Amino acid sequence: NAGVTQTPKFQVLKTGQSMTLQCAQDMNHEYMSWYRQDPGMGLRLIHYSVGAGITDQGEVPNGYNVSRSTTEDFPLRLLSAAPSQTSVYFCASSQSTSGNLEQYFGPGTRLTVT
Amino acid sequence: GENVEQHPSTLSVQEGDSAVIKCTYSDSASNYFPWYKQELGKRPQLIIDIRSNVGEKKDQRIAVTLNKTAKHFSLHITETQPEDSAVYFCAASNDYKLSFGAGTTVTVRA
Repeated sequence: NAGVTQTPKFQVLKTGQSMTLQCAQDMNHEYMSWYRQDPGMGLRLIHYSVGAGITDQGEVPNGYNVSRSTTEDFPLRLLSAAPSQTSVYFCASSQSTSGNLEQYFGPGTRLTVT
Repeated sequence: GENVEQHPSTLSVQEGDSAVIKCTYSDSASNYFPWYKQELGKRPQLIIDIRSNVGEKKDQRIAVTLNKTAKHFSLHITETQPEDSAVYFCAASNDYKLSFGAGTTVTVRA
């Protein structure tokens, strides 16, 4: 199993550009989520999904969209990039919304918005 | 929503000594408390977790304690080694949404 994969690893955007961060998992996990990590602030939840076709907002959803058309994929879209979105983005998945709650993280995408 | 506070923000210990990191949470409905270790440039990785129906859990040199009444939980690392140097995050969850503390940078001095 590849686990949780993310692409790209690094990205530089100009203010106002849009892009999609890709996340995929091959563990048949129901739950997937996106976090951003900023210095001194830990990881903050952006959006999450408890299954295909179901998504919801986390703590910091503004400026981001998600969709979950399949169990495996959970892309994160930046609609109009802003310098405040410069961060490291992690995707995570877990087996179930109850029972085994361990979340597995992808390797991260380092995004810089100029 | 859940608010998790973590202390200290930095911790320097002599190799072989113990390290303790403390976290408090605000939502009494939280029932799952994982701890993650993150090395520089790497992804967070789970090192230990505890459920709300358990007061203490140990795995070799790592232990976690939970006080539901006071809404706080702690990570204890004994006999620290250089490879324990990393950033440690606590988190709290009400089944799936994790709320993280701000992290503790642990440095083990040789």
